[in-house]
Amino acid sequence: KQEVTQIPAALSVPEGENLVLNCSFTDSAIYNLQWFRQDPGKGLTSLLLIQSSQREQTSGRLNASLDKSSGRSTLYIAASQPGDSATYLCAVGGGSEKLVFGKGTKLTVNP
Amino acid sequence: DTEVTQTPKHLVMGMTNKKSLKCEQHMGHRAMYWYKQKAKKPPELMFVYSYEKLSINESVPSRFSPECPNSSLLNLHLHALQPEDSALYLCASSQETAGPLHFGNGTRLTVT
Repeated sequence: KQEVTQIPAALSVPEGENLVLNCSFTDSAIYNLQWFRQDPGKGLTSLLLIQSSQREQTSGRLNASLDKSSGRSTLYIAASQPGDSATYLCAVGGGSEKLVFGKGTKLTVNP
Repeated sequence: DTEVTQTPKHLVMGMTNKKSLKCEQHMGHRAMYWYKQKAKKPPELMFVYSYEKLSINESVPSRFSPECPNSSLLNLHLHALQPEDSALYLCASSQETAGPLHFGNGTRLTVT
């Protein structure tokens, strides 16, 4: 059974800092991995999707990497801004409709 | 702005009421999902429709009844709910079943 862990559960950084969020998964036989952000009381916004054959994906100040063999993914946020404050969730797909979500990392970027 | 629209945004209902949650997408996606999210928890999958047919029911109690009238619409009919069913109900869609998910902003449901 796939299990997804996100560490830390919460992170507070000053504005402008570069930061890394971590996601680990127990079964390396994944189809893809998605990173989402969720603002309080809102739905999830898809940030990046990495297919199992890819090593990384980039969108603006965000870069997500995937290392299947070690069961790890990282989300790198460059030059963080207060607007980046949200909960970030990673979700692992096994090729079917089911995603396994981590519990998320709550990020606070202080002005 | 989200491309998946959910109505209503908020709903308060008693345990004897019948209500429905609605979800609409016009991206041509063939898979649609219902998730339930409790506070400070990740979303939990409830139902999946693929090409308008129910493909996954995650052992959800019968007081929740999904319906997919067409490829753009997804409903969740609610009846005789319990206070513990209070949660954020999220609809999502994807081009295919293993593709990136697009979520709506959810319906905040309170059962009194």
